[in-house]
Amino acid sequence: EAQVTQNPRYLITVTGKKLTVTCSQNMNHEYMSWYRQDPGLGLRQIYYSMNVEVTDKGDVPEGYKVSRKEKRNFPLILESPSPNQTSLYFCASRGQDSLHYTEAFFGQGTRLTVV
Amino acid sequence: QQQVKQSPQSLIVQKGGISIINCAYENTAFDYFPWYQQFPGKGPALLIAIRPDVSEKKEGRFTISFNKSAKQFSLHIMDSQPGDSATYFCAASIIGGATNKLIFGTGTLLAVQP
Repeated sequence: EAQVTQNPRYLITVTGKKLTVTCSQNMNHEYMSWYRQDPGLGLRQIYYSMNVEVTDKGDVPEGYKVSRKEKRNFPLILESPSPNQTSLYFCASRGQDSLHYTEAFFGQGTRLTVV
Repeated sequence: QQQVKQSPQSLIVQKGGISIINCAYENTAFDYFPWYQQFPGKGPALLIAIRPDVSEKKEGRFTISFNKSAKQFSLHIMDSQPGDSATYFCAASIIGGATNKLIFGTGTLLAVQP
């Protein structure tokens, strides 16, 4: 089954404690991205990756890091989380085929609370 | 100029009725307009999408209407069912760009009452 898998689904942490949210896709997609979803703001892109070792900032990259060492994995790293990073996070992917010009596959989401 | 404005914020429709969600954009470079459906506890799922060379696209009960001159597009759900109750996001993208980055609207929470 084609899917994007995120872990954990829920996470409560304290300010300043480094954390990583993992994302893996099994479709051999080149493009992966991270979004945060906040009420009244929709989804906003944090970082994206065009392929292995190729990453770039989205619209709200401050406070986040990513890496793309393998094609299937795209972890999101919060080096020093702050309460304003409390949000619902989604990883997404798409392939190079012409059927889907934009992200067609999203993970289940990670609800992060920073206290 | 990068914004996509979506309305209404929430919508209640009776079973069998028509649900209409509207979006407007400013950037005339946008050339791909997808809609995403999100159920509680799930990630968004691509529902239907349109390019600006057509004014309407229909897939089952879901129709996108596109008005290029007004820079507006809308999602129509015909014969709405309780199973359609979800949050709907419109979005816009530039296909010819380097990343095809999505710009999302703020979402519409649809409730279809039985």
